[in-house]
Amino acid sequence: EAGVAQSPRYKIIEKRQSVAFWCNPISGHATLYWYQQILGQGPKLLIQFQNNGVVDDSQLPKDRFSAERLKGVDSTLKIQPAKLEDSAVYLCASSLGQGGSQEDTQYFGPGTRLTVL
Amino acid sequence: SQQGEEDPQALSIQEGENATMNCSYKTSINNLQWYRQNSGRGLVHLILIRSNEREKHSGRLRVTLDTSKKSSSLLITASRAADTASYFCATDYHMRFGAGTRLTVKP
Repeated sequence: EAGVAQSPRYKIIEKRQSVAFWCNPISGHATLYWYQQILGQGPKLLIQFQNNGVVDDSQLPKDRFSAERLKGVDSTLKIQPAKLEDSAVYLCASSLGQGGSQEDTQYFGPGTRLTVL
Repeated sequence: SQQGEEDPQALSIQEGENATMNCSYKTSINNLQWYRQNSGRGLVHLILIRSNEREKHSGRLRVTLDTSKKSSSLLITASRAADTASYFCATDYHMRFGAGTRLTVKP
């Protein structure tokens, strides 16, 4: 089966510009996650969707970050405006669980490496 | 703050040796998961251990969990060069990851 797809793979922008990332989860997976991974650190959960509803966005910087999952399938993560500290890899993952159970195995995409100059 | 904290930060061994890395966490959990991340790639799920389990095996992997000490360990036996990667633990509480253990297996 196809894995989690993300695009673009790399993005370089100037600070204060806007950027958007796209994620296509594994077909049939109800739960979708966005993580931010700064170099040398572990992934930090930004937002978790179950179908098209938000389960957890407690660590999402809502003044500049936004995410949506229209129709409960694809998702986009946007940063507006970007800051230097947003330079990181943005990982998308999906899991099968309908109940948003944290026992569900997460399948990760390859990530988008963002550099903010 | 991060929920899972891995130790050591880096580990270098020879092929064929065993590698042990540890994870500590702060709050009560329902389960704890271990993931591997190869350089420049996404994370791959390795194993999940529930709070009522003490030990779990999967191939060359052995995971233990001590809820009284809020700690877990991952043992990789008979390591291979392909095991070179960063290893992370994450608890079910908001899926918080630690900084990981960077394992290097020298051929």
